[in-house]
Amino acid sequence: DAKTTQPNSMESNEEEPVHLPCNHSTISGTDYIHWYRQLPSQGPEYVIHGLTSNVNNRMASLAIAEDRKSSTLILHRATLRDAAVYYCIPTGNQFYFGTGTSLTVIP
Amino acid sequence: GAVVSQHPSRVICKSGTSVKIECRSLDFQATTMFWYRQFPKQSLMLMATSNEGSKATYEQGVEKDKFLINHASLTLSTLTVTSAHPEDSSFYICSALGRLSEAFFGQGTRLTVV
Repeated sequence: DAKTTQPNSMESNEEEPVHLPCNHSTISGTDYIHWYRQLPSQGPEYVIHGLTSNVNNRMASLAIAEDRKSSTLILHRATLRDAAVYYCIPTGNQFYFGTGTSLTVIP
Repeated sequence: GAVVSQHPSRVICKSGTSVKIECRSLDFQATTMFWYRQFPKQSLMLMATSNEGSKATYEQGVEKDKFLINHASLTLSTLTVTSAHPEDSSFYICSALGRLSEAFFGQGTRLTVV
């Protein structure tokens, strides 16, 4: 499984964009890059995933570097409900969680 | 997104007893399900991967005789914590692999062993 490096914590002002980075330099060629988030005392929630091209959905956008060794999750307008721990997980079919980034949204 | 239901959400049991946790995929069939454990202020730790109709694959350091996993159907996997002890108290989370290889997670089960 590929190792990931994410900032321990980040802060954002409400209604501003947030860029959450993740390094996964040992990713294999067939691994998808998944992003999940977890609120306290809840199971993780799927956010987005992609392989090579940038991806958009109603929750977020995923920008994947050309060499695939890093990716960035983009929340276009942070809300208080986006405060959570965000995990990036490069994976084929197993999901190993790193330490993630704890996002604080400031009203 | 797809829904995974986990039951119970909270359970308290006496030391030495066994506890069963159920994980159901409500609106899709899941050939593969995962079980995790999470201690306070820590990340999720993968315990085992279960495939429908076959034996679960346990991660290193996880006792398969203590954490019994059964994945008898495409919509149900169970985790039984046998002879539970206080150190088994934790937040247990299941997930099911969706059609596009994304994982959908249950809401978790808070186990307290007294």
